[in-house]
Amino acid sequence: QKEVEQNSGPLSVPEGAIASLNCTYSDRGSQSFFWYRQYSGKSPELIMFIYSNGDKEDGRFTAQLNKASQYVSLLIRDSQPSDSATYLCAVSINSGGSNYKLTFGKGTLLTVNP
Amino acid sequence: ETGVTQTPRHLVMGMTNKKSLKCEQHLGHNAMYWYKQSAKKPLELMFVYSLEERVENNSVPSRFSPECPNSSHLFLHLHTLQPEDSALYLCASSHTSGGASDTQYFGPGTRLTVL
Repeated sequence: QKEVEQNSGPLSVPEGAIASLNCTYSDRGSQSFFWYRQYSGKSPELIMFIYSNGDKEDGRFTAQLNKASQYVSLLIRDSQPSDSATYLCAVSINSGGSNYKLTFGKGTLLTVNP
Repeated sequence: ETGVTQTPRHLVMGMTNKKSLKCEQHLGHNAMYWYKQSAKKPLELMFVYSLEERVENNSVPSRFSPECPNSSHLFLHLHTLQPEDSALYLCASSHTSGGASDTQYFGPGTRLTVL
C-alpha cells in the first residue's frame, strides 16, 4: 500500500525558533507534494506545494524535497504561537495509468511556546 | 460566498435517520471530493467526481450515497449510519481530478455525530 508517514508529535518549539516537520512517502512515482495546516476543529488549508527537488520558499515557510530519499520537509522560521496547529503532508500518488490521487499523512502536531 | 462552503457545520443524528450534507464550490473547479477525517487517522478519500461523473469510490459502505448534480454542487446522503461513522466530513475541490499537480481546496467541514 502506498503510504505517507509523518511523526505524529507533538513537536514543541519556543517562539522565534525554526520548526522542522518531516514526511516520507513510499511511491517513487509521486509527482507533487503539498503541506496543509489544520487548526483544531477547522479544515485543512494549503500552505504550499513543491514539485521539484530542492527548496521552495514562501515567506517564513520553506518546503524541501528530495525525491531520491523520498523525503519532503517543511521548515517554519521565526515560529509564532499562531503557527500551533497540525501540519498535514499530502502526496500525489499514482493510482493507475495517468491518474493520481492525494494521499495524506496523519499529521504532525506543532506547538509553539511563547 | 467564496471558496468551498459546506452545510450544515454540525449534525447530530440517530442511526435510523436520513440526512444530507451539502457542499458548494465557487472556484470554477471541475472536480469535487468527499473525505472523512476521524481522530488519529489520516484523511480518508471517499468519493471523487469529475465533471459530475463519479470517478472513484473508495469501498465506502452503501449507507453513504453521493450525488453531484453539477460541477459546483456535491451532496452526501446519509442513512442508517453507525456510531463509528461519527467524524469530520470534508468536501474539497480542484481544477481537475487525477492530475499529478492538482491542488485541492477544502471546505470548513461538517462535524457529524451519530448516536
